[in-house]
Formats: sequence, structure tokens, C-alpha cells
Amino acid sequence: QKEVEQNSGPLSVPEGAIASLNCTYSDRGSQSFFWYRQYSGKSPELIMFIYSNGDKEDGRFTAQLNKASQYVSLLIRDSQPSDSATYLCAVTVYNFNKFYFGSGTKLNVKP
Amino acid sequence: DTAVSQTPKYLVTQMGNDKSIKCEQNLGHDTMYWYKQDSKKFLKIMFSYNNKELIINETVPNRFSPKSPDKAHLNLHINSLELGDSAVYFCASSQGGAGVSTDTQYFGPGTRLTVL
Repeated sequence: QKEVEQNSGPLSVPEGAIASLNCTYSDRGSQSFFWYRQYSGKSPELIMFIYSNGDKEDGRFTAQLNKASQYVSLLIRDSQPSDSATYLCAVTVYNFNKFYFGSGTKLNVKP
Repeated sequence: DTAVSQTPKYLVTQMGNDKSIKCEQNLGHDTMYWYKQDSKKFLKIMFSYNNKELIINETVPNRFSPKSPDKAHLNLHINSLELGDSAVYFCASSQGGAGVSTDTQYFGPGTRLTVL
């Protein structure tokens, strides 16, 4: 079992819709959760992080964390074609200096 | 100014050769990392250095040896290259260690290694 699991996609949504990206993790000691965006041929860049249960909003992006279910998600409102990329979920396990990435979900936003 | 830089951007070499990839960060960060991203886009941490000391050393072949001459540089040397080493290698840096909550990692542009 991988430490972080994501559906590889592709997830296709029309422009203006809400894109919902999901991630599950196996280590209950995981403490911080990150969403990175990676355009094709480019390096990952941080979108946002969350470490408390509930929702965290930043512009069009909302991260949702449910530690009981070991589940973290990213919602993108008013999706734009420029949001088309691979979205990587990552988690840290503080006490053991572990940092794991999921394999990413490819998002296509169609004009 | 490039925050995290890597050289070379592309590296094509024959099996059995030894090669190095260099990484430099000008962010003043204490921690640097090497990641390998395979053809399926799976990003896996290989090494992490904090103030020139190794703090994460995931299970990688000992043909891979990181070297940190100072906290702004973390180079990756690979001996006896194999076909399976072909991947994109990313360097990254962060203010603190990998385990610090909310610690953001900044990635370099990547080095695409192709072993023939």
C-alpha cells in the first residue's frame, strides 16, 4: 500500500465548473498536507497546505482535511483552462521526518 | 534570480557511466532535497540534508551519493548508471526540515536523465 494515493485521472471538467481532487493517506501520524501543481515538463509548485481538520480557502482553491477518514481534497472553483495540470498531494509525518507524494491527478479543464 | 537552480537540465549518457547533477539555492534555506520522478510521474524523495547533514536517506541504491559542501548546495553523484535510473531528478529546498509542519518546499527546474 502506498503512503499517499491519488486517482491518476485524467479528470475532465468544463471551464467554470468546480474540480474536485481527492487524496488518501495511510499513516495516521501524518500531520501536514500539501497540494502541489505541476505543469507538463515543469517542476511542482505549492498551491496550499492544511494541517487542521476542516476547510481552508485561498482564492479559488479550498483544501479539505478529514483526519478520521485519512482524506484530503482540493476544490478548484471556476476552473480555468490554465488550471490544466497534474495535482500532487503530499503529506509529512513530523516525528519521523517523512515526506510522501502521491502520484498525482491529471486535470483537464475544457474551454 | 532563480531560487533553486540545477545543472544540467538534460543529461544523456551510456550505461555504466558516472555522472553528477548540481543544485544550488539562494533562498537561505536550511534544508535541501533530491527527488526522483519516474515516467509515471511518481515523485519520490531520495535524500534530505539539513545544514549539510543527512536527515533522510530513503532506500536508494548506494550508487547514488549526495554531497553538500555548504547549506546552499546539494549535489547528486551517480555511479555505474543503469537503464532504470532514467527519470527526472528534482532538487528542492525548504526553510526547515521535512518534518516541520507547513514547511514549503521550493523545487528546481529538474534534470532529465536518460541512460542509453
